[in-house]
Amino acid sequence: QQQVKQSPQSLIVQKGGISIINCAYENTAFDYFPWYQQFPGKGPALLIAIRPDVSEKKEGRFTISFNKSAKQFSLHIMDSQPGDSATYFCAASIEGNEKLTFGTGTRLTIIP
Amino acid sequence: KAGVTQTPRYLIKTRGQQVTLSCSPISGHRSVSWYQQTPGQGLQFLFEYFSETQRNKGNFPGRFSGRQFSNSRSEMNVSTLELGDSALYLCASSPTGGTEAFFGQGTRLTVV
Repeated sequence: QQQVKQSPQSLIVQKGGISIINCAYENTAFDYFPWYQQFPGKGPALLIAIRPDVSEKKEGRFTISFNKSAKQFSLHIMDSQPGDSATYFCAASIEGNEKLTFGTGTRLTIIP
Repeated sequence: KAGVTQTPRYLIKTRGQQVTLSCSPISGHRSVSWYQQTPGQGLQFLFEYFSETQRNKGNFPGRFSGRQFSNSRSEMNVSTLELGDSALYLCASSPTGGTEAFFGQGTRLTVV
């Protein structure tokens, strides 16, 4: 069964700190890895995504690191702010197959 | 550009009834996917439609069905509702499918 394992389940980070969320996948056919941010009462919003031909992608304070050999990828949020408090989901898919396989989510809380 | 619109936002149904949920994708997007989100199972793929054809289907019973119209709007139907069908149902649209999926706010279905 295709799976994406996400950790930690919850994370508390001080304002200004670095938040790190990790995901691991099993299916080596996955070739698209997005991260979604979800606030209560809202649908998931696409944050940043990476393909396995690069090891890192940065957009503002958000960075994805990708390790193809370890089948792992992670989201780093630099200078974390209270407004970043949300649930974050990693996901994976195979080009040509429209199904996104999601991780179980990480509830991030940024404290002052 | 308007985002993905799902109606209704909230719905309460009785066990055994059927329900139809609606999704209007972003203008120009031809792919619509449906996901079920629950605290226990997380985000799970239901099915995806492209140009009125179902291209991919998740592991849900036949009680869950959908369709897409020529204007790309999509509906999802659940028949013979069970208590376990209570969930947030999310619709996502993308230009061609898979990558860069944009989610609506979802329909919160409660089965009593």
